[in-house]
Amino acid sequence: AQSVTQLDSQVPVFEEAPVELRCNYSSSVSVYLFWYVQYPNQGLQLLLKYLSGSTLVKGINGFEAEFNKSQTSFHLRKPSVHISDTAEYFCAVSELGSGSRLTFGEGTQLTVNP
Amino acid sequence: NAGVTQTPKFRILKIGQSMTLQCTQDMNHNYMYWYRQDPGMGLKLIYYSVGAGITDKGEVPNGYNVSRSTTEDFPLRLELAAPSQTSVYFCASRPSGGSTDTQYFGPGTRLTVL
Repeated sequence: AQSVTQLDSQVPVFEEAPVELRCNYSSSVSVYLFWYVQYPNQGLQLLLKYLSGSTLVKGINGFEAEFNKSQTSFHLRKPSVHISDTAEYFCAVSELGSGSRLTFGEGTQLTVNP
Repeated sequence: NAGVTQTPKFRILKIGQSMTLQCTQDMNHNYMYWYRQDPGMGLKLIYYSVGAGITDKGEVPNGYNVSRSTTEDFPLRLELAAPSQTSVYFCASRPSGGSTDTQYFGPGTRLTVL
């Protein structure tokens, strides 16, 4: 069965600093990988997804993520964060043939301070 | 398009009461999902449906029931509410193009059982 581990539950950073949110997954088959963002009191929005091809995936709001198959990781990065990036970020995995049933990590709260 | 809508936004139940959480989508998506999100945790899949008349259990189905009589609606029923069901409930949908398709989330229902 697939599983997802987000290594940091909280990441505080200052505005305009770079940030990396870490995600590792476990699966015995090929997977699709996703990052979702949840702003306070809202539902989840897709930031980006890796399906196949280039291991560097670019998403909305200047975020990008790199798929590393050997390390089973899919870390999310942004070179310069804004106050408005403060939110909860979830990494999720879907196994090939699972009917896109998503397994989520526990989330990382990103707080951007002025 | 309104996307995925959920009602109510908030609800407080007493132990043993029952209620139905409503979920409607206007995107003609075949796949629909119910998740619960507990504090500090990722989302856990309760039930899902691949089309009208077809439902299946997810990770944490105990204490819940679903039905899917139309493509648009996917209500979640709690028969005998328990404090352990205090959570935020999210409904999601996706088109049936394959596992690569994005799931679209509703804004959530915050349920407290006292």
